[in-house]
Amino acid sequence: AQKVTQAQTEISVVEKEDVTLDCVYETRDTTYYLFWYKQPPSGELVFLIRRNSFDEQNEISGRYSWNFQKSTSSFNFTITASQVVDSAVYFCALSEANAGGTSYGKLTFGQGTILTVHP
Amino acid sequence: DGGITQSPKYLFRKEGQNVTLSCEQNLNHDAMYWYRQDPGQGLRLIYYSQIVNDFQKGDIAEGYSVSREKKESFPLTVTSAQKNPTAFYLCAVLLGTVKAFFGQGTRLTVV
Repeated sequence: AQKVTQAQTEISVVEKEDVTLDCVYETRDTTYYLFWYKQPPSGELVFLIRRNSFDEQNEISGRYSWNFQKSTSSFNFTITASQVVDSAVYFCALSEANAGGTSYGKLTFGQGTILTVHP
Repeated sequence: DGGITQSPKYLFRKEGQNVTLSCEQNLNHDAMYWYRQDPGQGLRLIYYSQIVNDFQKGDIAEGYSVSREKKESFPLTVTSAQKNPTAFYLCAVLLGTVKAFFGQGTRLTVV
């Protein structure tokens, strides 16, 4: 069975601080996909990134960066120079792949990390 | 404007009632999903459908039912058999092969 653990329930930082959200996963599949989603107070989940299990390159997008390490089954998310608008719940998720290597779209979510950025 | 529309945004249910949550999409994608969100538990999969007239149970299907009569619509019925229905319900569509796109959700409360 697949499992995603986000050990940090809540994180509170002051604006301009860097913050890292941890994500550890478990799966028996060799092909899988990892995701990060942001949930602002409005409730809608906003897609941030998708990474497949064969691509361990770290990725940077503006102030966001992701560190994928298969050896430790981790997919951590760092926000550099945090801003008040970054305040939200962040979810890490895992999806198995079908025989064709594409995702079924069935996501296993972590419990979420509530990030609060204070001005 | 392409997207997913969930309605209503807020829904109140009396004990013993069935209620239906609507999910409509104009993204022309086949796969649709229903997730339930409870505080501190993340999202859990209720039902999903990969093509019209076909759907499968997710991890917590008991007390719920769905239909998929047309590609654009995937309504979820919360039946009286669901003992703890108060939650936030999210509908999603799988875009391309790997990215799930979510609606804005329906918050269901039992009164």
